[in-house]
Amino acid sequence: NAGVTQTPKFRVLKTGQSMTLLCAQDMNHEYMYWYRQDPGMGLRLIHYSVGEGTTAKGEVPDGYNVSRLKKQNFLLGLESAAPSQTSVYFCASSYSGTGNYGYTFGSGTRLTVV
Amino acid sequence: LAKTTQPISMDSYEGQEVNITCSHNNIATNDYITWYQQFPSQGPRFIIQGYKTKVTNEVASLFIPADRKSSTLSLPRVSLSDTAVYYCLVGAIILTGGGNKLTFGTGTQLKVEL
Repeated sequence: NAGVTQTPKFRVLKTGQSMTLLCAQDMNHEYMYWYRQDPGMGLRLIHYSVGEGTTAKGEVPDGYNVSRLKKQNFLLGLESAAPSQTSVYFCASSYSGTGNYGYTFGSGTRLTVV
Repeated sequence: LAKTTQPISMDSYEGQEVNITCSHNNIATNDYITWYQQFPSQGPRFIIQGYKTKVTNEVASLFIPADRKSSTLSLPRVSLSDTAVYYCLVGAIILTGGGNKLTFGTGTQLKVEL
């Protein structure tokens, strides 16, 4: 029962470096989301996707790009990392139909930009 | 999206019932109320969801008055392992392209002691 899997779990980047965070879900969910969580800030939505091949901006999209080439995967990219992007990143997915609309979250990726 | 207000923190002792109230005065007709639990270094976990009256599952109960401007999460007989942050979310399911973009606030830090 994998649910939502995020890789890597930890990463340290230097300012200006790039990286991609991978999110994979095995529940056949249509919707996927990327959030970041900072101390005292709750979770803020970065980007989301309502289906394969679609992406949309959330609350704090600047400095990030995403892709959803396959239904089960949602990638978050940082083209040029900045210290302000030091955070814990969570991926989530949800089913688009009736019934339980709850999100399933991954265990997070702790990113430090130095 | 409806804004929610909940206490920043609550303290309790093992075996007690804990009630966390969330206010959402501008809840819309098609909004659902959802509660999540988050432990340190983990992603949020869906607890319970409701639209009106009372909902109960194996973990908690959710009480929603007729005007739906508030809701109360009830945790029966808490234990040390219930120490976590609890988030109240209000949002609608947008089935045509918008996705379910729930907004997480800072939540309520529940601390359970012996």
